[in-house]
Amino acid sequence: GESVGLHLPTLSVQEGDNSIINCAYSNSASDYFIWYKQESGKGPQFIIDIRSNMDKRQGQRVTVLLNKTVKHLSLQIAATQPGDSAVYFCAENINFNKFYFGSGTKLNVKP
Amino acid sequence: KAGVTQTPRYLIKTRGQQVTLSCSPISGHRSVSWYQQTPGQGLQFLFEYFSETQRNKGNFPGRFSGRQFSNSRSEMNVSTLELGDSALYLCASSLRTSGSYEQYFGPGTRLTVT
Repeated sequence: GESVGLHLPTLSVQEGDNSIINCAYSNSASDYFIWYKQESGKGPQFIIDIRSNMDKRQGQRVTVLLNKTVKHLSLQIAATQPGDSAVYFCAENINFNKFYFGSGTKLNVKP
Repeated sequence: KAGVTQTPRYLIKTRGQQVTLSCSPISGHRSVSWYQQTPGQGLQFLFEYFSETQRNKGNFPGRFSGRQFSNSRSEMNVSTLELGDSALYLCASSLRTSGSYEQYFGPGTRLTVT
């Protein structure tokens, strides 16, 4: 299968700071990406997506950046809150085929 | 709009038994995908059904099977359970149109094989 990896397994930030979660993907043909948040005991929750024809997409307090040159995806969370503590996954898709998920990054928000 | 529902939420089975898990997608969604989540392997794709047809399949043995009904509800079955099948099984639904492939996950079924 395709390889989608994360640089940091655990990220600790102070409440109010901005968080950046990174993801590397291996297939340059991937054309659609999603970031998910998974809280303990729950299924992954859709956060934001981006297509390969875009470099940046913004949502509420979140921004996804896509760098196709280096096959890198990042999720930026502004003014991180304790409720943002969770595991974050990136997922890649090629031509609306199956998704491949990264191993996840755990975000700890310290009050 | 109701989200993706999965039943049961928790299940304990013994080796050699079989199990059937159920998933009801978001109303209007025709695609249902199934994933296995374990601490060691992360989220792994099992299969996807769209309009009652299996559209994609992951790298799992034939003991894992699924189906989809005309109302888009889906079931997955695991036969001859092994200890390594203990996992959180997640289903995700999607409209799966050319312009939208957002997947929304259910809460999962926690399967424990003893």
